[in-house]
Amino acid sequence: DIVMTQSPFSLAVSEGEMVTINCKSSQSLLSSGNQKNYLAWYQQKPGQSPKLLIYYASTRQSGVPDRFIGSGSGTDFTLTISDVQAEDLADYYCLQHYSSPFTFGSGTKLEIK
Amino acid sequence: EVQLQESGPGLVKPSQSLSLTCSVTGYSITSNYWGWIRKFPGNKMEWMGYISYSGSTSYNPSLKSRISITRDTSKNQFFLQLNSVTTEDTATYYCARGNYYRDWGQGVMVTVSS
Repeated sequence: DIVMTQSPFSLAVSEGEMVTINCKSSQSLLSSGNQKNYLAWYQQKPGQSPKLLIYYASTRQSGVPDRFIGSGSGTDFTLTISDVQAEDLADYYCLQHYSSPFTFGSGTKLEIK
Repeated sequence: EVQLQESGPGLVKPSQSLSLTCSVTGYSITSNYWGWIRKFPGNKMEWMGYISYSGSTSYNPSLKSRISITRDTSKNQFFLQLNSVTTEDTATYYCARGNYYRDWGQGVMVTVSS
């Protein structure tokens, strides 16, 4: 199985600040066939189901604010949230869907000071 | 707009089977991939498996032979069955669409307890 190591476990920032969340995979998620990284990011707000933010490592899902940016390739990936807003309070997860069984990172809890 | 809705019992006894339904509107399940994911207390997320547009399935080996995902295309529904449950299967269960899960149901909390 591909192991997804996500960090940090939690972080607390003030509105307007920038945060970075990292995911490292135990194997490359880059497809040689189409040069896509099979890595997605999700946001889960309290009491809600997960919401897709980013897919193929860096493609923002329609309707997601452009302050959410996904980057990285191969085994190292980052979700950057610039200008954090109070509404961004949530848990964030990465998911590799490169090979079965698909695996999630352990999650990052974002708190707003 | 695609909508997914999970349904099923919220309480299951140990050693029994957990059966959930995902009802889909706005999109045919004969297209795309349809998955089951669960979130445990403590927030760990686990991919359980999927059924494809053609009816083929893929399961998480961690669930061994306990899991089955099937579908009823006439009702545009797909199903999860998990056999021989234990308290470790207590979780919120989600159904989702796509190979990177663009759309999710609202989730159903299932408790395994006698």
